[in-house]
Amino acid sequence: QQPVQSPQAVILREGEDAVINCSSSKALYSVHWYRQKHGEAPVFLMILLKGGEQKGHEKISASFNEKKQQSSLYLTASQLSYSGTYFCGTVPDTGTASKLTFGTGTRLQVTL
Amino acid sequence: DTGVSQDPRHKITKRGQNVTFRCDPISEHNRLYWYRQTLGQGPEFLTYFQNEAQLEKSRLLSDRFSAERPKGSFSTLEIQRTEQGDSAMYLCATPDRDGGYTFGSGTRLTVV
Repeated sequence: QQPVQSPQAVILREGEDAVINCSSSKALYSVHWYRQKHGEAPVFLMILLKGGEQKGHEKISASFNEKKQQSSLYLTASQLSYSGTYFCGTVPDTGTASKLTFGTGTRLQVTL
Repeated sequence: DTGVSQDPRHKITKRGQNVTFRCDPISEHNRLYWYRQTLGQGPEFLTYFQNEAQLEKSRLLSDRFSAERPKGSFSTLEIQRTEQGDSAMYLCATPDRDGGYTFGSGTRLTVV
């Protein structure tokens, strides 16, 4: 039931791009993306709602494929500050307010 | 300053002791969530409140765990007869204006 993320880990050189995928077995109402640095709380990046919209946030953007129940997070021209663990969080399409279920996580390291 | 304050930041306790954590959202929110996170894993849902009412509890929340939100503002999470398996980061979160969650810095519990 936990969303599955891929890859589990990725190492980038500064300036390179990365894609992180999140896949759920349930019909989804929304997908959240968070970044967590070591020893800190998760920080909200963006939310995508049912409807397949794509959102952007500086050099970080995301898409949501409602039919496949998949979301992807795109990191372009990565910076050192992008390092951390990325989690997707999903809310099922049950018609009622529900909790967020976090994915398995993707550890991203950006090096010089 | 994350908008959610948690106390204490760290707690070391002996197995069998009781512990209580507190979560204080800086601004009023109808909903408040508790999550638990172990090393290398994503946050796992424990319970959530709509005002004072505890609306959902995870199966992870055994009889030794109890949570309250007496006035619909701050919340407490108590663990009785702690076990080593309770060692984790306990996170509190509230919805933010962008649709995501704002997490507190968490309480790191170590049971020895």
